[in-house]
Amino acid sequence: GESVGLHLPTLSVQEGDNSIINCAYSNSASDYFIWYKQESGKGPQFIIDIRSNMDKRQGQRVTVLLNKTVKHLSLQIAATQPGDSAVYFCAVPHYTGNQFYFGTGTSLTVIP
Amino acid sequence: DAGITQSPRHKVTETGTPVTLRCHQTENHRYMYWYRQDPGHGLRLIHYSYGVKDTDKGEVSDGYSVSRSKTEDFLLTLESATSSQTSVYFCAISQGNEQFFGPGTRLTVL
Repeated sequence: GESVGLHLPTLSVQEGDNSIINCAYSNSASDYFIWYKQESGKGPQFIIDIRSNMDKRQGQRVTVLLNKTVKHLSLQIAATQPGDSAVYFCAVPHYTGNQFYFGTGTSLTVIP
Repeated sequence: DAGITQSPRHKVTETGTPVTLRCHQTENHRYMYWYRQDPGHGLRLIHYSYGVKDTDKGEVSDGYSVSRSKTEDFLLTLESATSSQTSVYFCAISQGNEQFFGPGTRLTVL
């Protein structure tokens, strides 16, 4: 089956700096990818998604980059703020579309 | 939050006792899911439902059962809780290509 992994379990950045969180996936047929943010004590929340026919997608202060050649995607957060402190993980749908595989998450800490 | 609530939000129980967690949604979504979240493992699918009385197993279904007698409610039951089932449990629904999660239930099995 699919496996999804993140490269770093923890990441600390200074407030105002940019953050980059990475994720690798195993199934080259995956055609849709999602990033979630999970704050302490809460359920995961959707941040941004990207389809495999795109290399880049931008949202508000967030950008997701997809490199299908090496099966890697990244989430970039511009001008990181204390409110960005959370666990971030990527998710890849099962081929049926009814299930998702989730990475283990990167815990982002923003240092004031 | 897609109208998802979970109850209870916290529970402490003893090994061998039955436990039922409830997920309730208000927006008539067809697909509902139960995940557990543990350090180092991320979210792992326990069971999911694709309609009333229609359920299927996920990656870590052993020791768990589910029921869905109404569209809005999806119940997760631990027939005889074990310490390895200490975890945070999340319910989710699908809306298009996205999944929306409930607030979670923290279960401790002593």
